Order: sequence, then C-alpha cells, then structure tokens
Amino acid sequence: DAKTTQPPSMDCAEGRAANLPCNHSTISGNEYVYWYRQIHSQGPQYIIHGLKNNETNEMASLIITEDRKSSTLILPHATLRDTAVYYCIVPEYGNKLVFGAGTILRVKS
Amino acid sequence: DTEVTQTPKHLVMGMTNKKSLKCEQHMGHRAMYWYKQKAKKPPELMFVYSYEKLSINESVPSRFSPECPNSSLLNLHLHALQPEDSALYLCASSQGLAGGYQETQYFGPGTRLLVL
Repeated sequence: DAKTTQPPSMDCAEGRAANLPCNHSTISGNEYVYWYRQIHSQGPQYIIHGLKNNETNEMASLIITEDRKSSTLILPHATLRDTAVYYCIVPEYGNKLVFGAGTILRVKS
Repeated sequence: DTEVTQTPKHLVMGMTNKKSLKCEQHMGHRAMYWYKQKAKKPPELMFVYSYEKLSINESVPSRFSPECPNSSLLNLHLHALQPEDSALYLCASSQGLAGGYQETQYFGPGTRLLVL
C-alpha cells in the first residue's frame, strides 16, 4: 500500500496557484517525498522532491511541514496544460515507487 | 537529456503470440524499471534491474519475461498473454548509484498493449 494519502480531486482557476496537499504521517527520518504527475495517456513526469527543507524548481515548490508528516506541492501559476493526476510518493527500499490514487487536478479557464 | 524511449507505441496481439516491448535510455543510468498501468488505475511496479541484474520481481506471472541485455536497453518479452493483461506498460530509469535508496525515476511514454 502507498504510504501517502491525497484528496481525490481538486479544481483550480487558470493563472492561480494550485496547492496540492499530501499526508505521509508514517514517513521515516531519512525518507524523501517525491512528486510526479501524469498527463492523460503519457508516462509519469518527475516534478520535485524534498527531505525536510522547502524546495523550489522551475516547475513547482514543495513545502514540507516541520514534523514531516505532510507536504504541499504548489504550482504558482497553473495553466490548462497542468491538468493531470498528481502523485505524492515516499519511495520504498529498492527505489520502489508505490503509486496511490493521486489527486486529479483540473485547471479551468 | 532525460529521455526514455519505448517501442512500439501500440501493440495488438493474440493470446498465442510472442512479442517484445523495448525500452532504451542513453543517460548512463544503471537502474531500469517496468511498470504496468491498467485503465484508470495508478502504475504498478513489475520488475527492477540494477546493473543489468534483476533485483526485484513483484510476483509477476512467468508469461512476462524481462531482459536487460546491456545498460541502455530493457526488454519485456510477452508470451501467452491474457486479455486482462491489456494495459499501458511503462519503462523508467534512474541513476542506480544509491543502491536501495531513493532516486528520481524518468519514465518513457509507454506501450499500449491490447491482448485479443
């Protein structure tokens, strides 16, 4: 079973920030949180990952709570092309990615 | 370049056929993965190769036979499949430097398989 829980779906207006939450209450001290997304009928795409500090790259920002039990992926200015299923994953030993159901993000104009 | 290529894009096969899926990466990665994704479901791990050796088999039926002939290439040989094996088959790779630890995986576009 996946180590994370996410809301099944969210809507966001185009141009606004999309904030996607994830709970990972059983995460261990040395385990990273990874975010991937999958646009319809394509392969999953890596977005960002983090351990305890907040992270930012050209795609998104990742905010991890101090107790590391939850995190939020932020897409600062969502576009229609950001409509996808977003997966929050804590990889298991062997670099196994166990995908949960993810969050379907719908960006609307 | 973070590209993983997969061929063919689409494949239709009968239950008695033998076919192969191919995955290739030229990023120097030494870990490669096969995932299966059924419609409206998340991807599920099938196999992991590390330095051309099979390191994880998630109890996949023997009608799926993986092969890693070199560090850039990963094959999945298919034989006597069932209609319920119809799915999107995804390949991924990662650096392979971290042993059992966590690394970013880069996915290919997948092969959509239909078994009749």
